[in-house]
Amino acid sequence: NAGVTQTPKFQVLKTGQSMTLQCAQDMNHEYMSWYRQDPGMGLRLIHYSVGAGITDQGEVPNGYNVSRSTTEDFPLRLLSAAPSQTSVYFCASREGNYNEQFFGPGTRLTVL
Amino acid sequence: EDKVVQSPLSLVVHEGDTVTLNCSYEVTNFRSLLWYKQEKKAPTFLFMLTSSGIEKKSGRLSSILDKKELFSILNITATQTGDSAIYLCAVERHNQGGKLIFGQGTELSVKP
Repeated sequence: NAGVTQTPKFQVLKTGQSMTLQCAQDMNHEYMSWYRQDPGMGLRLIHYSVGAGITDQGEVPNGYNVSRSTTEDFPLRLLSAAPSQTSVYFCASREGNYNEQFFGPGTRLTVL
Repeated sequence: EDKVVQSPLSLVVHEGDTVTLNCSYEVTNFRSLLWYKQEKKAPTFLFMLTSSGIEKKSGRLSSILDKKELFSILNITATQTGDSAIYLCAVERHNQGGKLIFGQGTELSVKP
């Protein structure tokens, strides 16, 4: 199993550009989540999904969209990048409630 | 508002020391608390705690939960330089496994 994979590893955008961060898992997990990590702030939940076709907002959803058309994939879209979105983004998946959550390797995004 | 607070935010010790990291929480409908270790990449799972007073151990690491006083501690004995990392705790509510709430993290540095 590859586990949770994310692409790209690094990305630099200009303000106003859009892009999609890719996340995939091959463990048939129902739950998938996107977090951002900024210095001194731990992990903050952006959006999450409890199954294909079901998504919901986390703590910091503004400026981001998600969709979940398959169990395996959970892309995160930045509609119009802003410098405040400079961060490290982690995707995670989980089999269900009360289980370990597995994280992808992260994407480091810089918005100029 | 749900809240997870870790202390201290950073800690510097020498090899061989014992450290105690704290995680307190105020969360409605609490179900479990999870500890993760993060070494410059994705967080890796350490423990999940659901019951008060039952210690979980893995080598030199151990953790316990107090559901009455709403906190958990993570102990590391005989620290090594490889223990240097950010330690994150997260809380899960019943039937909301897609929505972990993380604390800010404790950055531990172990000097030789």
